[in-house]
Amino acid sequence: GAVVSQHPSRVICKSGTSVKIECRSLDFQATTMFWYRQFPKQSLMLMATSNEGSKATYEQGVEKDKFLINHASLTLSTLTVTSAHPEDSSFYICSASAGRGPYNEQFFGPGTRLTVL
Amino acid sequence: AQSVAQPEDQVNVAEGNPLTVKCTYSVSGNPYLFWYVQYPNRGLQFLLKYITGDNLVKGSYGFEAEFNKSQTSFHLKKPSALVSDSALYFCAVRDTGGFKTIFGAGTRLFVKA
Repeated sequence: GAVVSQHPSRVICKSGTSVKIECRSLDFQATTMFWYRQFPKQSLMLMATSNEGSKATYEQGVEKDKFLINHASLTLSTLTVTSAHPEDSSFYICSASAGRGPYNEQFFGPGTRLTVL
Repeated sequence: AQSVAQPEDQVNVAEGNPLTVKCTYSVSGNPYLFWYVQYPNRGLQFLLKYITGDNLVKGSYGFEAEFNKSQTSFHLKKPSALVSDSALYFCAVRDTGGFKTIFGAGTRLFVKA
């Protein structure tokens, strides 16, 4: 299957700083990328959906000014957690798809564990 | 709205025995169903999917799932469990537009040697 990478895999930062997480599709063009958040022992919660070249669509309850998403190219999307606080500590997972529709598979990155001190 | 339910938080099975991880779904329209597995501190790995066609879907690592429309279920099965199958399993449904994927709460599978 296609490969999606995330960088960094783990990050620890101080409260109040901003953290950027990159998601790359390595061997295909991802027209759509998704960002999920996973709390310990819980399911994945969709945060936002981004299409290349357009603004991200955020799920209800997700602060768009806090979680900035940029999908500037067909192989790269970034999630920036601005002014991070301890409650933002979580496992963030991105996924990428070559298109819409059920026949377009979503490929998941390995995740980024964010710890805010 | 689409949703999936995984009624069991945890499933325990002995190595070599068959395993079943349950999933029921609720959708308007045709269901697009998926199973994923997650190992500790890792992303999700795709196991199998049902879009259309045969009700019995075969996937990776010897797993299979049976789509049952009347019972709105999509249970994951494997004839003989391995210790290495121990992981967190997610059932998921894609919305009718085929765009968003909604995940169940997950079921933790423990396979004892």
